[in-house]
Amino acid sequence: EAQVTQNPRYLITVTGKKLTVTCSQNMNHEYMSWYRQDPGLGLRQIYYSMNVEVTDKGDVPEGYKVSRKEKRNFPLILESPSPNQTSLYFCASSLYTGVLEQYFGPGTRLTVT
Amino acid sequence: GQQLNQSPQSMFIQEGEDVSMNCTSSSIFNTWLWYKQDPGEGPVLLIALYKAGELTSNGRLTAQFGITRKDSFLNISASIPSDVGIYFCAGRSRDDKIIFGKGTRLHILP
Repeated sequence: EAQVTQNPRYLITVTGKKLTVTCSQNMNHEYMSWYRQDPGLGLRQIYYSMNVEVTDKGDVPEGYKVSRKEKRNFPLILESPSPNQTSLYFCASSLYTGVLEQYFGPGTRLTVT
Repeated sequence: GQQLNQSPQSMFIQEGEDVSMNCTSSSIFNTWLWYKQDPGEGPVLLIALYKAGELTSNGRLTAQFGITRKDSFLNISASIPSDVGIYFCAGRSRDDKIIFGKGTRLHILP
């Protein structure tokens, strides 16, 4: 089954404790992206990757890192999480950069205390 | 930065009613998409529009790409309980940025 998977689905952590949210897709998609969703603000892009070893900042990249060492995986790293990073995070992928139709993962709800 | 203004923010309707929502922008967009997000899940693509004036249907859903390329609307006919959720418009601007609207939350009253 074609899908985007994220882990963990729920995470509660403390300020400053490094964490990684994994994202994997099995559709051989070139383009992958991370979004955060906050009430009243909709979906905002954090980082995106057009292919292996190619990543770029989205609209709200501060406090986040990403890597794309393999085509299927695109982890989101929070080196020193802060409470303002409490949010619902979605990973998404599409066939290639020019294709806007994205497949979204199920989401990761992160709480930073 | 570029923004998509999506309205209304939320809607309360009776089952069986038709629904209409729209997205507007001050900038021209090359592509418009409409997504639906069910509670506890990620957004799922409903309809994609690629040409100004294009009108596309997907079952009870109909969406149009505005002639000015600065707006799009989504209509849902004869709403049913499973239509509940958040509907997002998204567009690709001329500089290839993907931008989402803030969503329209649809509630259906029993």
